[in-house]
Amino acid sequence: GQSLEQPSEVTAVEGAIVQINCTYQTSGFYGLSWYQQHDGGAPTFLSYNALDGLEETGRFSSFLSRSDSYGYLLLQELQMKDSASYFCAVTYGGATNKLIFGTGTLLAVQP
Amino acid sequence: IAGITQAPTSQILAAGRRMTLRCTQDMRHNAMYWYRQDLGLGLRLIHYSNTAGTTGKGEVPDGYSVSRANTDDFPLTLASAVPSQTSVYFCASSDSRREGLGEQFFGPGTRLTVL
Repeated sequence: GQSLEQPSEVTAVEGAIVQINCTYQTSGFYGLSWYQQHDGGAPTFLSYNALDGLEETGRFSSFLSRSDSYGYLLLQELQMKDSASYFCAVTYGGATNKLIFGTGTLLAVQP
Repeated sequence: IAGITQAPTSQILAAGRRMTLRCTQDMRHNAMYWYRQDLGLGLRLIHYSNTAGTTGKGEVPDGYSVSRANTDDFPLTLASAVPSQTSVYFCASSDSRREGLGEQFFGPGTRLTVL
């Protein structure tokens, strides 16, 4: 079967750095994505890793190790607006980029 | 403004009733998806469509049906709603030219309560 695991909650202070880990067990793996969701609103795409290594987009970075079936999202210079749920998702399925989502990590940024 | 719209925003439905959730996108994306999101379970794929005229089953397809008559619209139908279908439903789309890149665009969601 397909499964992803990530911590349910993380708390950090404004200005700090936080890392949200994701481990997965899937078949037909194409890549690992990260999504942000505020207060049950529409999830928004943050990043995607198909190859091992680090991808940086502004304050956010994402890492993938295919051999370890592991990835993480790194958020730097945390701001209050970063308080949200973060989901990792595995792309599988070939012709269409179908996604299997993790259960999400609720990040609380405190002043 | 380009994007995905869903209707209704929310709905309370009696068990046994038929309900269609609407989804329209104006980005000319080939692929579209329906997810449900329940507390503590993340998003789960119900059905998807690679292109107009084709559909496929996701992780939790039972009790739901979809159609894809054209590129823009992807309605989700509950033939006979049951309380376990109480959830938030999200429609999404992706650009088939960017297959495998893991980027999907989500609508605002429909909050459905089945009593």
